[in-house]
Amino acid sequence: AQSVAQPEDQVNVAEGNPLTVKCTYSVSGNPYLFWYVQYPNRGLQFLLKYITGDNLVKGSYGFEAEFNKSQTSFHLKKPSALVSDSALYFCAVRDIRTGGFKTIFGAGTRLFVKA
Amino acid sequence: GAVVSQHPSWVICKSGTSVKIECRSLDFQATTMFWYRQFPKQSLMLMATSNEGSKATYEQGVEKDKFLINHASLTLSTLTVTSAHPEDSSFYICSANQQRGTGRSYEQYFGPGTRLTVT
Repeated sequence: AQSVAQPEDQVNVAEGNPLTVKCTYSVSGNPYLFWYVQYPNRGLQFLLKYITGDNLVKGSYGFEAEFNKSQTSFHLKKPSALVSDSALYFCAVRDIRTGGFKTIFGAGTRLFVKA
Repeated sequence: GAVVSQHPSWVICKSGTSVKIECRSLDFQATTMFWYRQFPKQSLMLMATSNEGSKATYEQGVEKDKFLINHASLTLSTLTVTSAHPEDSSFYICSANQQRGTGRSYEQYFGPGTRLTVT
């Protein structure tokens, strides 16, 4: 079955420091991987995706993610964290085996950036 | 980018009543929409896949008679929570797939969510 795991419930980082939010995946076939961010009482905002091509994917708001096939990981990174980056982050995999292309989400990681 | 709206953004209802939530794709046609629910501090759980012109496909454990889904047009899907109870209180999020090109490539766009509180 398609799944993603986010091993950390929470990540704390000081403003200006680099941040990493971890994600590992388990898929049949080629993975379609995504990162989304959610602010309180808001829907999801798309950050970036990996479908094919370069392993380093650049996305919105200075975020990037590195696809690592051997480690089945897709960690989200940012070189310098901002307080405004504090939010809930979801890694997701799209199940393309079915015609409807369902998206399956990880449990989420809450990022706290301290000033 | 494409926009998906939800209405209402929040609703409070009494136990035993029914509540309808609308999901609209504003500037594209969506043959497939999805409904998710999210409990506080938890992930999004897929409830059902809504297909225009046909019956919705429900995930295991989701009561289809309680969560009625109608996808009457290419831009509108509705979720009706029937005989709502306090345990149905949650954040409901819809998403819509926009086909890209003529292949099987899709982009998925999410609505802003609807917070339902059942008293």
